[in-house]
Amino acid sequence: AQSVAQPEDQVNVAEGNPLTVKCTYSVSGNPYLFWYVQYPNRGLQFLLKYITGDNLVKGSYGFEAEFNKSQTSFHLKKPSALVSDSALYFCAVRDYQGGGSQGNLIFGKGTKLSVKP
Amino acid sequence: DAGITQSPRHKVTETGTPVTLRCHQTENHRYMYWYRQDPGHGLRLIHYSYGVKDTDKGEVSDGYSVSRSKTEDFLLTLESATSSQTSVYFCAISTDRLVEQYFGPGTRLTVT
Repeated sequence: AQSVAQPEDQVNVAEGNPLTVKCTYSVSGNPYLFWYVQYPNRGLQFLLKYITGDNLVKGSYGFEAEFNKSQTSFHLKKPSALVSDSALYFCAVRDYQGGGSQGNLIFGKGTKLSVKP
Repeated sequence: DAGITQSPRHKVTETGTPVTLRCHQTENHRYMYWYRQDPGHGLRLIHYSYGVKDTDKGEVSDGYSVSRSKTEDFLLTLESATSSQTSVYFCAISTDRLVEQYFGPGTRLTVT
C-alpha cells in the first residue's frame, strides 16, 4: 500500500534563510509526487510535481523539490524564505504500477511553515 | 481557485439531518473528487468521479454518497449527518487521474 509521511508538524525559519520541508513516501510501483500549499481559509494550491525525468523539479513561487529514489524522499526547498511563504504544506503521492493500475492520491498530514521577519 | 466553486461555504446542521454539498466547475475537467480535511489527518478521499454517472469510493466513503449528472456538477450527500462528519470538505478537479488536481475553496460543515 502506498503511504506518505511528513515527519515535521512545524518548521520555523527566519526570513531570507533557506527552507526545507521534508517528505518521504512508500509505493510499490513508480511514484507520482506532488506538493501543495494551503493558505488560511483557502483551498490547496498546486506547487510542483515529479513524474519522471530530472530529479530536481522547479515549481511556483521559487519553490523546488528534489526526488531521491534511494531515500524515497521528495523534500520541498526554497533558497530564501519570505514571510508570505508561511502556510500549510502538503506532500502527496500516487502509486503508478503501469498497465493502467494506479492508486488514489494520498496526502501527508501537512507541515506548518512559519517564516519570521 | 481554478474555476471551481463550492456551496454552501459554511453550514451548521443537526445530527440526523441530510446534507448536500455542491461542487461546480467551469473547466470541463473529466475527474472530480471530494476530500475531507481534519487536523492530524491531512486530506482523505471520500469519493471521486471519472465521468457523468461514473463514480467510485475513496478511503473514507462510509456515510457519504455522491452523484454526477452533469460534467460540471458533483454533489456530496450525507444521508444522516453525524458529529464525526464535522470537517472541512474540499472538491477537486483534474483532466486525468495521474496529473495534478485543482481545489475549490472548501465548505466548513459543523454537525451539532
